[in-house]
Amino acid sequence: SAVISQKPSRDICQRGTSLTIQCQVDSQVTMMFWYRQQPGQSLTLIATANQGSEATYESGFVIDKFPISRPNLTFSTLTVSNMSPEDSSIYLCSVELSSSGANVLTFGAGSRLTVL
Amino acid sequence: AQSVTQLGSHVSVSEGALVLLRCNYSSSVPPYLFWYVQYPNQGLQLLLKYTSAATLVKGINGFEAEFKKSETSFHLTKPSAHMSDAAEYFCAVSDGDKLIFGTGTRLQVFP
Repeated sequence: SAVISQKPSRDICQRGTSLTIQCQVDSQVTMMFWYRQQPGQSLTLIATANQGSEATYESGFVIDKFPISRPNLTFSTLTVSNMSPEDSSIYLCSVELSSSGANVLTFGAGSRLTVL
Repeated sequence: AQSVTQLGSHVSVSEGALVLLRCNYSSSVPPYLFWYVQYPNQGLQLLLKYTSAATLVKGINGFEAEFKKSETSFHLTKPSAHMSDAAEYFCAVSDGDKLIFGTGTRLQVFP
């Protein structure tokens, strides 16, 4: 199965700043998904990133707040802009591998952000 | 839209006891269903998946789940809990290319 590396694994940020999270996959994948897991809650899909096109955002998430890049088939970034304490969450990158079967997602270890 | 409901945010069992984590789904089409596990400070790991083949699905670490259409359920079970099973468990349903997750059940295992 694919290895997914996320950086940073954790960070403490000041209110009003922005942070970019990187996701590197060791194989080429068509779709990459960014999820948010707020403290004590489940995973919520932020957006789907396809190489060569604009990311598709879920209801409640906008590009100005969570800009995403997908420059190639193995890499993506998610930026959390103008952060507030409500953005304190674990952000998870995931990919769908055709070898794993329909809709099976493989997840990175996540990036734990704390906003003060 | 597809959704899953996990009954019980916390489940506690003794080591060696049966583990039962409940999940009910709502889907307008035959669903693909999944159970994921999240150990502390780690990402999610696939336990098992149902993709309309056998209704009883066996996964890793001795877990299994049974798809029951009549009950719209996909409960996760393990005959004998181990201390290492303590984790957060998420049920999920496919919705097109996306996965929709339940709210999770935290399993505690006592010696």
